[in-house]
Amino acid sequence: AQTVTQSQPEMSVQEAETVTLSCTYDTSESDYYLFWYKQPPSRQMILVIRQEAYKQQNATENRFSVNFQKAAKSFSLKISDSQLGDAAMYFCAYRSGGGGGSQGNLIFGKGTKLSVKP
Amino acid sequence: DAMVIQNPRYQVTQFGKPVTLSCSQTLNHNVMYWYQQKSSQAPKLLFHYYDKDFNNEADTPDNFQSRRPNTSFCFLDIRSPGLGDAAMYLCATSRVWGAYNEQFFGPGTRLTVL
Repeated sequence: AQTVTQSQPEMSVQEAETVTLSCTYDTSESDYYLFWYKQPPSRQMILVIRQEAYKQQNATENRFSVNFQKAAKSFSLKISDSQLGDAAMYFCAYRSGGGGGSQGNLIFGKGTKLSVKP
Repeated sequence: DAMVIQNPRYQVTQFGKPVTLSCSQTLNHNVMYWYQQKSSQAPKLLFHYYDKDFNNEADTPDNFQSRRPNTSFCFLDIRSPGLGDAAMYLCATSRVWGAYNEQFFGPGTRLTVL
C-alpha cells in the first residue's frame, strides 16, 4: 500500500521569506500523481500544485514550486515570498495513475501547519 | 461562483442518534467523495460516487452510509454515531474519474458527538 509522510508537523516562516515543506512517499508504482493541498483555518481545502510522475520537470505555480525527486520518492513544496495568507495546513497527497477502482483515491500525509510571521 | 457546499458547518448529535450531513455542488461534477478528518490527522476517504455508482472503501464502518439522489446532492448518514465518529467530514467533487483530476473540497462539517 502507498503511504505519504510529512515529517514536519509545524513550520514557521517570516513574511517575504522562502520556506520548504517536506514530503516523502512510498510506492511500487511507476505511474502516479502527487499533489499539495492547502487548508486554511475554517476554510476549504484547495489545490496548490500537482505533478505527474512521468514528467521530469518540476511543476511551478507562481510563488509555489516543487522539487520532485522520483528516485528518492521525495516531493517537497517551496513557497517563495511568503505572505500572511499562506498560513494554513498543507497536505501532500498521492494518487495512483494506474487502472482499477483505486485510481482516484487520494492518499494524504498528516499535514504540516505553516505559520507566517509579519 | 461554482462551488461545493456543506450543511451544516457544525453538527452536534447524541451518542447513538442518527445524523445526516449534506453536500451539494454547482460544478456539475460526476464524482463526489466523502472524507473523514480527525483532529491532527490526514483526511481519510470513506466512499465515493461516480454518477450513481457507489464505491465503498474496504475499511469504512457499516455505520456510515451515503445517498446521492441526483448529480448535485450527496448525503452522509451515520446510523449510530459513537464518540469515535467525532471529526470533520469533508465532501469533495471531481469532474471525472481519473488520477490527474483535481478534487474540489467543501468547507467541511464538524461533527460533535455527546
